[in-house]
Formats: sequence, C-alpha cells, structure tokens
Amino acid sequence: SAVISQKPSRDICQRGTSLTIQCQVDSQVTMMFWYRQQPGQSLTLIATANQGSEATYESGFVIDKFPISRPNLTFSTLTVSNMSPEDSSIYLCSVRKVNEQFFGPGTRLTVL
Amino acid sequence: GEDVEQSLFLSVREGDSSVINCTYTDSSSTYLYWYKQEPGAGLQLLTYIFSNMDMKQDQRLTVLLNKKDKHLSLRIADTQTGDSAIYFCAERGTDSWGKLQFGAGTQVVVTP
Repeated sequence: SAVISQKPSRDICQRGTSLTIQCQVDSQVTMMFWYRQQPGQSLTLIATANQGSEATYESGFVIDKFPISRPNLTFSTLTVSNMSPEDSSIYLCSVRKVNEQFFGPGTRLTVL
Repeated sequence: GEDVEQSLFLSVREGDSSVINCTYTDSSSTYLYWYKQEPGAGLQLLTYIFSNMDMKQDQRLTVLLNKKDKHLSLRIADTQTGDSAIYFCAERGTDSWGKLQFGAGTQVVVTP
C-alpha cells in the first residue's frame, strides 16, 4: 500500500490569490495524479505528474492555472492560481503502485 | 470520454447485504476498482478486479464482473453502520497512463 499525506488539509482563501498544495508519499512511486472533487460530485482528473517529465493535463485544465511540480519520486505540489469561488473543491493527490491506486486525504479549499 | 454509471442512493438495514451496481462502457478496461469515501475523508481503496476475472472475494466484500454486459457489482455482507459512506466505482483505461474514470458515487445509508 501507500501512505499519502497532504498539506494543508483545508484552507480558506481570498479571490485572486494562489495556494500550493503539497503531497508526500511514504515510498517512491513513478505515477502521481492530481484530482479535483467539487462539492457533491465525483472525481475529475486534473493532471498526471511523473517524475522527470512535464505534467500532462486533462482537457479543461491548463498549466498556467494549475502548475505542478514533481521534484522527486515521493513528492509533488499542485498550485491553484488566481483563485475564484469556482475553484472551491477538494483536491486529492493519488499514486499508483503496480495495479493499486491510492488517494491522499484531500485538501479542502474554500475560495471567498 | 467513457462513462461510468452508478445508482445514486442505497438504503440498507444493518445486518442485511448491500449490493452496489455499476456499468461502464469501455470494453478495453483492464482493471475495475471500488473505493469508499466517508464524510470529510479521502478515498479508501476497497478492492479491485482484473478484467479477465468474474469474481473476487475479500472478507465481507464480493465483486462480480460481467464483462459481456459491462456490469460490475460490489456486495457487502452483514452491512454495519460503519459501512455508511459514498462508494465509487472506477474503470482503468488503456491509455498510456491508465487513467481512472469514476462513476458519480452511490451513497449508502445503513439504518438500524
């Protein structure tokens, strides 16, 4: 299995500011993913972040809005830039180990 | 993209069996997953099944896969109040990252 921690666990931010979310895994993993879960909704993949390469973004998500870093095999960050109330969501980090995919506890973001 | 569909709500009495159903459309899916999300928490991987299997049992959980009908189910035996949560099914595609496509989630409420 994999133990994933995220910081912060929650935050309340002002419109127009940026927030960086950190994801730490207890073991080395090649594939990391960032998801968004809007209130009462399912999960939507934002991007795939593999170490040593640029993140791959899904349709509807762009690097300027959601820059991602993946400096090593146990850590990644997602920044939510120039926030608006529509960015209020839970942001989840996820890793795949062989055939299992694990999720962090999420970062609950509220934008005022 | 491909769609994964689930019924939105299931009410079950404590001690009974719960059956949560899911249909998917990507016949080339390799793995299918079940996750549990309790309020305010991330996603917990419950179990997964490889697409060439038709059944997998793990303690109180039984997964049935009908590949011909693209139908997946999760049976929880002897349902307990701690099983109250949202359950998501997800299919893993055959794109280069093996991205997961999630259903909308089934809210399971266990009543005494």
